[in-house]
Amino acid sequence: GAVVSQHPSWVICKSGTSVKIECRSLDFQATTMFWYRQFPKQSLMLMATSNEGSKATYEQGVEKDKFLINHASLTLSTLTVTSAHPEDSSFYICSAAPSGYGYTFGSGTRLTVV
Amino acid sequence: GENVEQHPSTLSVQEGDSAVIKCTYSDSASNYFPWYKQELGKGPQLIIDIRSNVGEKKDQRIAVTLNKTAKHFSLHITETQPEDSAVYFCAASPITGGGNKLTFGTGTQLKVEL
Repeated sequence: GAVVSQHPSWVICKSGTSVKIECRSLDFQATTMFWYRQFPKQSLMLMATSNEGSKATYEQGVEKDKFLINHASLTLSTLTVTSAHPEDSSFYICSAAPSGYGYTFGSGTRLTVV
Repeated sequence: GENVEQHPSTLSVQEGDSAVIKCTYSDSASNYFPWYKQELGKGPQLIIDIRSNVGEKKDQRIAVTLNKTAKHFSLHITETQPEDSAVYFCAASPITGGGNKLTFGTGTQLKVEL
């Protein structure tokens, strides 16, 4: 139990376009989901906390207008990278914390902006 | 906010030897300390966790110890195998899951050599 499914696993997009990443909780309801970004050989850095039915909470230094988060249901949160640029190329990972299971992570999305 | 430091950044051991990774944290409110294994291109996988009311926890070849007074916790892997090679992250959170943030350490690249 407590599986988080993340799609796509990898995506290549042209500079200036937008990309949407989906994170689904398969067997539990997630009031809160977390979005992380990980650059090569670095740790996971929390970008934002996604709350079902309300606005996301962004970490300091993360542009809310660039990284749009929508958490419209208890099983789905989406991260949209708008007007992507090469510096946005990274590994994006979502996470949720079902009661009693600690934190469970998606498989990640490798974004490459060319 | 919480700050988690992790050492060493790289660790190379011979197959069959033990590996120890150490972490310190700053926020005395932290009560949940998970350890994750991350393989290349994948999301983190929980390997063991410990809560503040427990000093030590063991699961087969993996053990974690916690010293709340000193604010440090350690991961011990015995009888290492090549498949243990990966990046390991420690983390800390005020409580298990919910809307609380998980703060990660900087990671340890473990290499188990034949």
